[in-house]
Amino acid sequence: AQKITQTQPGMFVQEKEAVTLDCTYDTSDQSYGLFWYKQPSSGEMIFLIYQGSYDEQNATEGRYSLNFQKARKSANLVISASQLGDSAMYFCAMRETSGSRLTFGEGTQLTVNP
Amino acid sequence: DSGVTQTPKHLITATGQRVTLRCSPRSGDLSVYWYQQSLDQGLQFLIQYYNGEERAKGNILERFSAQQFPDLHSELNLSSLELGDSALYFCASSAAGTGNIAYEQYFGPGTRLTVT
Repeated sequence: AQKITQTQPGMFVQEKEAVTLDCTYDTSDQSYGLFWYKQPSSGEMIFLIYQGSYDEQNATEGRYSLNFQKARKSANLVISASQLGDSAMYFCAMRETSGSRLTFGEGTQLTVNP
Repeated sequence: DSGVTQTPKHLITATGQRVTLRCSPRSGDLSVYWYQQSLDQGLQFLIQYYNGEERAKGNILERFSAQQFPDLHSELNLSSLELGDSALYFCASSAAGTGNIAYEQYFGPGTRLTVT
């Protein structure tokens, strides 16, 4: 069964610095997708970035990049030049080809300090 | 704004009652997913519909049911409510059905259910 692990319940970073949020996954599928979502205190889930298992390049979206290491089964999110508005809960999620559901990790609460 | 709408935003009800949560997917999206987010269980997949048909089931209780209508909106029905059903219920939509891993799911703002 697929499983996502986020080992950092909380992370702190200074404004303008970069931060890495860890995500490891377990799957027996060869084809799968990895997603990161942001959940601010208001509650909505905001899609940030996607990485396919066969993508050779690491995904990037603005200040977000995904450090994908397939052999280690990790898909860490890197946020560069942190902003106060980045303070939120961040979820890593996976989808296997066998279904369309997303399986989520426990989340990491990121706090950006001024 | 994701384009997915959910009503109501907040719902407070008593144990034993029944409620209906409503979701309208993004224009053109055929798949609707329901997720439950609670403090003890985290974010869990409940059920998926694709173009009116049930496609996948997750950890959905028998007291819960859902359907997707011809206009593609979906409803999640929760009955015989218990205190533990208090949670944030999300609806998400995507353009694809099963087997399409690249399509992101766009989430609605959620319905916060409080059972007292």
